[in-house]
Amino acid sequence: NAGVTQTPKFQVLKTGQSMTLQCAQDMNHNSMYWYRQDPGMGLRLIYYSASEGTTDKGEVPNGYNVSRLNKREFSLRLESAAPSQTSVYFCASNPQWGYEKLFFGSGTQLSVL
Amino acid sequence: GEDVEQSLFLSVREGDSSVINCTYTDSSSTYLYWYKQEPGAGLQLLTYIFSNMDMKQDQRLTVLLNKKDKHLSLRIADTQTGDSAIYFCAEHGSSNTGKLIFGQGTTLQVKP
Repeated sequence: NAGVTQTPKFQVLKTGQSMTLQCAQDMNHNSMYWYRQDPGMGLRLIYYSASEGTTDKGEVPNGYNVSRLNKREFSLRLESAAPSQTSVYFCASNPQWGYEKLFFGSGTQLSVL
Repeated sequence: GEDVEQSLFLSVREGDSSVINCTYTDSSSTYLYWYKQEPGAGLQLLTYIFSNMDMKQDQRLTVLLNKKDKHLSLRIADTQTGDSAIYFCAEHGSSNTGKLIFGQGTTLQVKP
C-alpha cells in the first residue's frame, strides 16, 4: 500500500519556467490538498479538493493552478515559476471531510532560480 | 484572524519528559491535532483531541487542552532519540472547509 505518492522529489527551475507536480493516492480518499512548507512558517494551504470534481483556493493560491484528474490524482501546476515559489510542496489526502486525519506524501523540494 | 503559535525549538535529554506547547485562536475548532514530521518526510498524524475533552492519553503521549486559555500541549514521556522530529499543532479554520491551520512547528532535539 503506497499511500500518497508525489513526483518528482526534487526539481530546479529557472524563473518563468512551468511545471506540474503530480500526486496520487491509493486509499480511495475523497479529499486532497496541496500545501507548501517554508522555514518558520509551518504549512500553508495552496488549494484543496473536497471531492472529485471540485477544487477550491486555500490560503496562498496565487501563481498556482490545480487539476483533480480523478479520485486518485490531484496535480499542482506552476505556470510561470518565481523565486518566491521556492519551497517544499506536500500533497495530502483525507478520508473524511471535517475530520482532518491527513495522510501526507513525502514532498517535492522545488528551487526556482 | 486564525492563528496557531508554537515555540520553535525544544531540547531534552533521553529519558526525560518533553512538553510542547501551542496556542490557537479559533475556539470553534471541533478537533485539534498534533502531527509529527521526521527528517525528509511528510507529516504524519500523531494524535488528536476532540474539543469537548480536557485530556487524552495514548501510550507515551498525553494531550492536554485548556479551552478557556486556547492552549494545547503535547507531553511525551520517556523521550527517546527516535522522537527527534518537528511537531506541528493544527486546528480547523472557523468555516470548517476542511482546511487545517498549522503552527510553525516545534523542533524537538533529544540528546543521548
